[in-house]
Amino acid sequence: QVHLQESGPGLVKPSETLSLTCSVSGVSIGAGFWSWIRQPPGKGLEWIGYVYSGGSPSYNPSLKSRVTISVATSQSQFSLQLSSVTAADTAVYFCARRLGANLFDFWGQGLRVAVSS
Amino acid sequence: LMLAQPPSVSESPGKTVSLSCTGSGGRIASNYVHWYQQRPGSVPTTVIYNDNQRPSGVPGRFSGSIDRSSNSASLTISGLQTEDEADYYCQSYDDNNVIFGGGTKLTVL
Repeated sequence: QVHLQESGPGLVKPSETLSLTCSVSGVSIGAGFWSWIRQPPGKGLEWIGYVYSGGSPSYNPSLKSRVTISVATSQSQFSLQLSSVTAADTAVYFCARRLGANLFDFWGQGLRVAVSS
Repeated sequence: LMLAQPPSVSESPGKTVSLSCTGSGGRIASNYVHWYQQRPGSVPTTVIYNDNQRPSGVPGRFSGSIDRSSNSASLTISGLQTEDEADYYCQSYDDNNVIFGGGTKLTVL
């Protein structure tokens, strides 16, 4: 069974960089596309981007200037970095596996991140 | 492409409800539409993928369709049950982006 688990700090200061990691088990991370999706409190889902081993990542155009997603195949992990954060970046951050046609079939449980001084 | 969903819909148990997802800035039929159910405090799960396909384990009461004339997708749930009360999100993509609708809160009362 595919399992994803987010980890990282639950609180980030404004203007700093948010850094999260997703650990993947039950499947080879080298064989798939891996994505980050977020959900601000009481709001809908927003796709952040995806990455795959050996390929170029793809990002949401509205976040592209601040986002870096990378994969560490040997550790079976992929990571999100979001720079220059503001309160608007406060959200639950999900990692997920992306299939063809951009379907997200397996999700992590989500990690709540607050941006506050 | 942008996807618009009504913020809330209410219906009674046993009835049938259709949740709409209207595209703008592009043709919704150009790429597949997927539907996710998210219960409070839970992770989204797929109820319909590739416009009208149902994952194993999802009841046959759930169905999806595309209407090219109105540039919209619909998720229809028949025989509503209280457990169907949740937020429902449509999702599609275009060349540069993955797009989610704003979600519809379905209340079954």
